[in-house]
Amino acid sequence: DADVTQTPRNRITKTGKRIMLECSQTKGHDRMYWYRQDPGLGLRLIYYSFDVKDINKGEISDGYSVSRQAQAKFSLSLESAIPNQTALYFCATSLAGFTDTQYFGPGTRLTVL
Amino acid sequence: RKEVEQDPGPFNVPEGATVAFNCTYSNSASQSFFWYRQDCRKEPKLLMSVYSSGNEDGRFTAQLNRASQYISLLIRDSKLSDSATYLCVVNGGGNTPLVFGKGTRLSVIA
Repeated sequence: DADVTQTPRNRITKTGKRIMLECSQTKGHDRMYWYRQDPGLGLRLIYYSFDVKDINKGEISDGYSVSRQAQAKFSLSLESAIPNQTALYFCATSLAGFTDTQYFGPGTRLTVL
Repeated sequence: RKEVEQDPGPFNVPEGATVAFNCTYSNSASQSFFWYRQDCRKEPKLLMSVYSSGNEDGRFTAQLNRASQYISLLIRDSKLSDSATYLCVVNGGGNTPLVFGKGTRLSVIA
């Protein structure tokens, strides 16, 4: 079984809808991250969490919110989806923060019509 | 804002060739450096960390030049399975978020 899982893997939704992307991990890591990847732009950090009670904004947090329900679960929500949030979303975990290897989930491909 | 820059490629090389990628970074306070590999429509996976003294892992060699603020990746004896996008990743100094380059695409041709 994969150490970092994401659901759903693909999602098509309409403008204005609320959507939640979920991430679970069995690696026992405290640090978890949400990134989005757009063609030609590379990966950009949306939010990160260093433990259950710690939530931090990343480079592009506007229009997104997160919830860290447990050490193993970190969810990303789009309160009112818009077309420019169409992207590939990755969850990642690490043992020791930004100086350490990040382990990525398989990604969620989100399309907002 | 171009904190990490890479040549996007594509680099099209025959099997067995040696290929080198360079990456420049703008933040002189950066302390951690990585190369990740990403296959098409897949998640990035760590290829290797980059240390000040340089490091080698089989056919892959990574070098760091702090004075010039660039990182390199050398792949020797290229295999078809090396075809992927290679991401240069740098942190912002201390325990600050990683910055990902846009990636360099490599195609190894039989």
